Amino acid sequence: EVQLLESGGGLVQPGGSLRLSCAASGFTFTNSALNWVRQTPGKGLEWVSTISASGGSTYYLGSVEGRFTISRDSSKSTLYLQMNSLRADDTALYYCATAYSMDVWGKGTTVTVSS
Amino acid sequence: DVVMTQSPLSLPVTLGQPASISCRSSQSLVYSDGNTYLNWFQQRPGQSPRRLISGVSNRDSGVPDRFSGSGSGTDFTLKIRSVEAEDVGVYYCMQATHWPLTFGGGTRVEIK
Repeated sequence: EVQLLESGGGLVQPGGSLRLSCAASGFTFTNSALNWVRQTPGKGLEWVSTISASGGSTYYLGSVEGRFTISRDSSKSTLYLQMNSLRADDTALYYCATAYSMDVWGKGTTVTVSS
Repeated sequence: DVVMTQSPLSLPVTLGQPASISCRSSQSLVYSDGNTYLNWFQQRPGQSPRRLISGVSNRDSGVPDRFSGSGSGTDFTLKIRSVEAEDVGVYYCMQATHWPLTFGGGTRVEIK
């Protein structure tokens, strides 16, 4: 069974940093692109970033480009999102999801940016 | 960016009756390989999103056959043939043809 488990969320002040992790199991990690998607309370879904299966290509939402960095570690079957210069509007539940078509999702980790 | 517009925002449905959700994109979702990367997701209350349909009309494993997807180009539809209580939630379309990937605003399905 494919499983994704996000962690690393928390409360951070504006301008601060966090690193999210997504531990994957139940599939061949190196065969799948991976994504981060966020959801603000009571609002819809917003794609944040994607990394290709090889890690050679990365894509970002315009508002996070230059602040967030997506990466993956095949030896640990783990996806990461390094988030710097955090802003209040980055506050959200962050999900990881497999493949460009997002066939499996984790349960999410909550990021709150507030002073 | 490709804007995905869903309608209606809210859809009250009687149990056993059909439901239909529209999703329109601001650009064609046909990719250069000829495929159309339009997906549908269901998010039940308190749960993570779950993909129902990929590539316009391909139902995921375990998804009841009362769900169906159709459409082409810029105009897509998700239909529920006979709504059941477990179908309550928010439904999203998402395009994966163009970067950035974009979602529709969601349609809330509720029981009358």
